[in-house]
Amino acid sequence: GESVGLHLPTLSVQEGDNSIINCAYSNSASDYFIWYKQESGKGPQFIIDIRSNMDKRQGQRVTVLLNKTVKHLSLQIAATQPGDSAVYFCAEIPNAGNNRKLIWGLGTSLAVNP
Amino acid sequence: NAGVTQTPKFRVLKTGQSMTLLCAQDMNHEYMYWYRQDPGMGLRLIHYSVGEGTTAKGEVPDGYNVSRLKKQNFLLGLESAAPSQTSVYFCASRVSGNSGANVLTFGAGSRLTVL
Repeated sequence: GESVGLHLPTLSVQEGDNSIINCAYSNSASDYFIWYKQESGKGPQFIIDIRSNMDKRQGQRVTVLLNKTVKHLSLQIAATQPGDSAVYFCAEIPNAGNNRKLIWGLGTSLAVNP
Repeated sequence: NAGVTQTPKFRVLKTGQSMTLLCAQDMNHEYMYWYRQDPGMGLRLIHYSVGEGTTAKGEVPDGYNVSRLKKQNFLLGLESAAPSQTSVYFCASRVSGNSGANVLTFGAGSRLTVL
């Protein structure tokens, strides 16, 4: 079946460095992609999203890149801070149905070393 | 703004007991969802609702029931708890529609242990 997967289950970076979290998806019909951040003991929190007609979108310190040719999504975090330590999930939304259920990846754990 | 509130935050049950998790949102969202999160398995959708009085099954609905009697509340029930239902449960909600409405707001989670 269709799925969303992650290249790296864990990522460790030094404070101040840039982080790149990758995500592979297999449903070519998906038209919307979202990144969520989940801190320990909390629910997932929306970070940034991107539509399939875009290849890049920037937010505050975060950039999402979408490469539809290879079905790859990445989240770049600039100047990573200790507060960025969390599990990051990518999710895709297939272009079908009205309820727009998300297909979730398994998550990547980001650890920021001081 | 409270957003999405889940109660209780923690609960320990014995096998066979029943319980209800309550989710309340104050954002007037149409859609509400119940997920479970287990280590290494990400978020799995249990049941969801696209409006008051409506519910639908997600990918792992067995052993759970839900009700959406009021727009702001979405209840998740376990009629006869099993150890396999030990998990962290998350409620989420969002506005209806497909345009720019795909962002879910999550509650803080309810940790359930079934002995």
